[in-house]
Amino acid sequence: DIQMTQSPSSVSASVGDRVTITCRASQGVSNWVAWYQQAPGKKPHLLIYAASTLQTGVPSRFSGSGSGTEFTLTISSLQPEDFATYYCQQAHSFPYTFGQGTKLEI
Amino acid sequence: QVQLQESGPGLVKPSESLSLICSVSGGSISTSVHYWGWIRQPPGKGLEWIGNIDYVGTTYYNPSLKSRLTISLDTSSNHFSLMLTSVTAADAALYFCARGGDAGFGEFEYWGQGILVAVSS
Repeated sequence: DIQMTQSPSSVSASVGDRVTITCRASQGVSNWVAWYQQAPGKKPHLLIYAASTLQTGVPSRFSGSGSGTEFTLTISSLQPEDFATYYCQQAHSFPYTFGQGTKLEI
Repeated sequence: QVQLQESGPGLVKPSESLSLICSVSGGSISTSVHYWGWIRQPPGKGLEWIGNIDYVGTTYYNPSLKSRLTISLDTSSNHFSLMLTSVTAADAALYFCARGGDAGFGEFEYWGQGILVAVSS
């Protein structure tokens, strides 16, 4: 199985800050990576697919980059509604796997 | 707008089988070229992919669950289902059903609200 390792596991930030979350794959996954946001007790929400393509309706302050084994999700200017947990997912090979999550706290 | 809704028992006894249904509205599961999936999340933990089924019924399972897992389509009712046999406490989780995105990069664009399943005698 391909392991997806996110860092950091948690991060404290303030409204207006720029935050970057990293996801490393244990082997190359090309650009088959998606990013999700999950608020407590809610379903995940797709932010980015194909490593860097912004899902329709997602604010432009979210961006993704990377290819191969290293990927990043950047939030350019944090808004109050962005405080949640973020997950990366690889879909290059079955079984699909998720990172362990990064909790973004105020 | 595609909507998904999970249904099933909230409590299953150890060693018994768990059966869940994902009802789909706003689109047909048999004519759509999208894939349909199940993902679970143990309390306080991260997401685990369970398996996918495509619109012609081809299945892809997580090897860690494959021996106990069946995912199937019911085109007449426009739903797909999950059956997991011989459940243990480790199977207690919030179970989500989801639909793949238009891009087909393995992303899950639409999600159900989730159903919490406990395992206890």
